[in-house]
Amino acid sequence: EDQVTQSPEALRLQEGESSSLNCSYTVSGLRGLFWYRQDPGKGPEFLFTLYSAGEEKEKERLKATLTKKESFLHITAPKPEDSATYLCAVQDGGATNKLIFGTGTLLAVQP
Amino acid sequence: GAGVSQSPSNKVTEKGKDVELRCDPISGHTALYWYRQSLGQGLEFLIYFQGNSAPDKSGLPSDRFSAERTGGSVSTLTIQRTQQEDSAVYLCASSLNPSYEQYFGPGTRLTVT
Repeated sequence: EDQVTQSPEALRLQEGESSSLNCSYTVSGLRGLFWYRQDPGKGPEFLFTLYSAGEEKEKERLKATLTKKESFLHITAPKPEDSATYLCAVQDGGATNKLIFGTGTLLAVQP
Repeated sequence: GAGVSQSPSNKVTEKGKDVELRCDPISGHTALYWYRQSLGQGLEFLIYFQGNSAPDKSGLPSDRFSAERTGGSVSTLTIQRTQQEDSAVYLCASSLNPSYEQYFGPGTRLTVT
């Protein structure tokens, strides 16, 4: 069964304190791995898609990496506005193209 | 440009009533998805549309749930005889191509009293 596990569940950082969020997955035929950011009361906002092991993508203070079993979202010198829930999802190789989500990491960055 | 829109943003209904939730995808996006997000749970897939057809309805939790899409655009998710366990945020997403990233709407928060 396809599964996505994110850790930690919650993370509190001081402004400027870099860290990483983890997303472990098992899927039969990975089509893509997606990272989203979700603010309270809003829908998820697309950040990155990774398709193959070794791939990396960057956007401002965020960098996503992918291996055959997990993905990391590295946050460099975070700011309070980076506070949000970060969701990881995998898209399997089936006909549906549905996303299978983890339960997210709630990030709080304190000034 | 305009993103995915959903209405209503909030809906409070009594147990046993029917509700309709609407999704307006990004123009030109052929794939449309419905998900449900319950408190403390991850997003749960409900149904997928490609054009007006629904190749995968496997995520619908019971036969009280149905959805349709007309004109390859607007979609409606209907829940009949609502139950308290139906309380959740219902999210709609669309993508240009089924293999591409999905863009989400703001969701409809459904509360069944």
